[in-house]
Amino acid sequence: EVQLLESGGGLVQPGGSLRLSCAASGFTFSSYSMGWVRQVPGRGLEWVSAITGGGNSAWYAVSVRGRFTISRDNSKNTLYLQMNSLSAEDTALYFCAKEPAKSGSGFDYWGQGTLVTVSS
Amino acid sequence: DIQMTQSPSSLSASVGDRVTITCRASQSINRYLSWYQQKPGKAPKLLIFVASSLQSGVPSRFSGGGSGTDFTLTISNLQPEDFATYYCQQTYSPPLSFGGGTKVEMK
Repeated sequence: EVQLLESGGGLVQPGGSLRLSCAASGFTFSSYSMGWVRQVPGRGLEWVSAITGGGNSAWYAVSVRGRFTISRDNSKNTLYLQMNSLSAEDTALYFCAKEPAKSGSGFDYWGQGTLVTVSS
Repeated sequence: DIQMTQSPSSLSASVGDRVTITCRASQSINRYLSWYQQKPGKAPKLLIFVASSLQSGVPSRFSGGGSGTDFTLTISNLQPEDFATYYCQQTYSPPLSFGGGTKVEMK
């Protein structure tokens, strides 16, 4: 059974940093691209970032480019999102998600999310 | 970047109704369009990928269509468990943008 478990969320001051983790199980982690999607409570979904299975390529939303870094440790079956220079606009529930084997097919499994609150 | 526009933003329907949601891309995305269902307090669930392929385990009353810039999600014979918010997502080119969502409410 595929499982994705996010952690690392919490309260951080504006300008601060946070690293999110997503522990994956139930599939061959290194074979699949992974991504992060965020959602302000009560609002819509926003795609944040994605990374290929080998970690060689990564993409970012314009809103986080230069501040966030996605990475993965395939030996630990874990996906990360390093978030720097955080602002109130980054406050959201952050979901980790897995892409299917066929590229361009969306995200077929999602975690339950970890809440990031940026506030003084 | 590709912008995704969903319509309507909300709709009211009854059990047994046929419901259609539209998603429009700001440029051609071929058939690289996915649809998700999200219920309150839950993660999104993939329903449809590459415009019309039904994800495993999703009831056949859900169907998707379209190509290029215009896409539809149709729910035939709406069931009580289908009242939720639906999102489209283009998977053609990063950033893989989502539509704004369509909330399907009970009439």
